[in-house]
Amino acid sequence: GENVEQHPSTLSVQEGDSAVIKCTYSDSASNYFPWYKQELGKRPQLIIDIRSNVGEKKDQRIAVTLNKTAKHFSLHITETQPEDSAVYFCAASFSGGYNKLIFGAGTRLAVHP
Amino acid sequence: DTAVSQTPKYLVTQMGNDKSIKCEQNLGHDTMYWYKQDSKKFLKIMFSYNNKELIINETVPNRFSPKSPDKAHLNLHINSLELGDSAVYFCASSPRQGAGRDTGELFFGEGSRLTVL
Repeated sequence: GENVEQHPSTLSVQEGDSAVIKCTYSDSASNYFPWYKQELGKRPQLIIDIRSNVGEKKDQRIAVTLNKTAKHFSLHITETQPEDSAVYFCAASFSGGYNKLIFGAGTRLAVHP
Repeated sequence: DTAVSQTPKYLVTQMGNDKSIKCEQNLGHDTMYWYKQDSKKFLKIMFSYNNKELIINETVPNRFSPKSPDKAHLNLHINSLELGDSAVYFCASSPRQGAGRDTGELFFGEGSRLTVL
């Protein structure tokens, strides 16, 4: 079935440390993998995405890696700051006529000063 | 100049009532969605419309009826509200759909928090 698993569900780090969130997906045909950040009481917003023809993508302190063979992808945040504290969602695009994004269960990241 | 706007932001109502949530996007996107976010923050797709045509229906109870009068608007009507319907409902839009194309970035509205008492 269509499934995206995300780990860990909570992550607590000290300011300046790195944070890594991992996701696996079920459909080998999935070709688009975005990451969304949701601050408390706000809407989810895209922070980075990757498509299946690329293995890694970086944008300043955040990077995403994709392993299509193993069907998993990861978000890496370096030099974390308190404002990185939020819930992060991975997602995968499932095909079947029209594509839809299925989200992981989310990771609550807390960055302590 | 809000890109995706939903009304109302908050809705408190009794079990058994009927309520509607409205959504509008001014991004010129062809595809719109409703997602439900429960108390555990899980984001689950409910419906998607592409150019006013229903393209995704995720086995949502038929008490939920989406309507898209034009491609910039997608409303959600809920009949006979139940306690389990309490959640935040997010409308979203994306610029691309079609065979072989991924959704592209989803632009979310601010959410409508529904509380059923």
